[in-house]
Amino acid sequence: AQSVTQLDSHVSVSEGTPVLLRCNYSSSYSPSLFWYVQHPNKGLQLLLKYTSAATLVKGINGFEAEFKKSETSFHLTKPSAHMSDAAEYFCVVVSGGSNYKLTFGKGTLLTVNP
Amino acid sequence: NAGVTQTPKFQVLKTGQSMTLQCAQDMNHNSMYWYRQDPGMGLRLIYYSASEGTTDKGEVPNGYNVSRLNKREFSLRLESAAPSQTSVYFCASRDRLNTEAFFGQGTRLTVV
Repeated sequence: AQSVTQLDSHVSVSEGTPVLLRCNYSSSYSPSLFWYVQHPNKGLQLLLKYTSAATLVKGINGFEAEFKKSETSFHLTKPSAHMSDAAEYFCVVVSGGSNYKLTFGKGTLLTVNP
Repeated sequence: NAGVTQTPKFQVLKTGQSMTLQCAQDMNHNSMYWYRQDPGMGLRLIYYSASEGTTDKGEVPNGYNVSRLNKREFSLRLESAAPSQTSVYFCASRDRLNTEAFFGQGTRLTVV
């Protein structure tokens, strides 16, 4: 079985400050992990993915995430928030036992204050 | 390159009515998915099709049926709509294992 827990339902930051969105996963097999972003009333866009290569993954718009097997975590970070980063972010896991299913976390709403 | 196309974008149904949500992808992907998105719940898998000719239940299949018409198309049918099926529905497709999914723009369905 696989599952994802996004530890914060809402994160609020000021423009220009760092962003940290936390994700923990559970998987019986070596997982693939993804972060997606959804802007209001839009579809989902892939930010970045981990598929058993480098543990530090760089994505679009300055985001990156680090896969930590010992902590079963895949936290999303960005050094400096921009107003356009305001959106909902989803952590997603796929693992070998049920590798056709993408399991989503419940999402983290990121607010960026001027 | 259109990617994943869903129709319709918006729909209002009365309780008990039926309808089919259409999804087509032009990326020659093997796997296709239907998710529903509700506030605070993330996206929950309704049904998926690992490859042409196969379909399987996800987390929340009750009240829905699917058809993988061919490699391109995967439809979702509500036989007798209920207010609890008010949601935003997303179709997705994926190529190989351990690759990312590509999503359509969503269908906003309201059942009154």
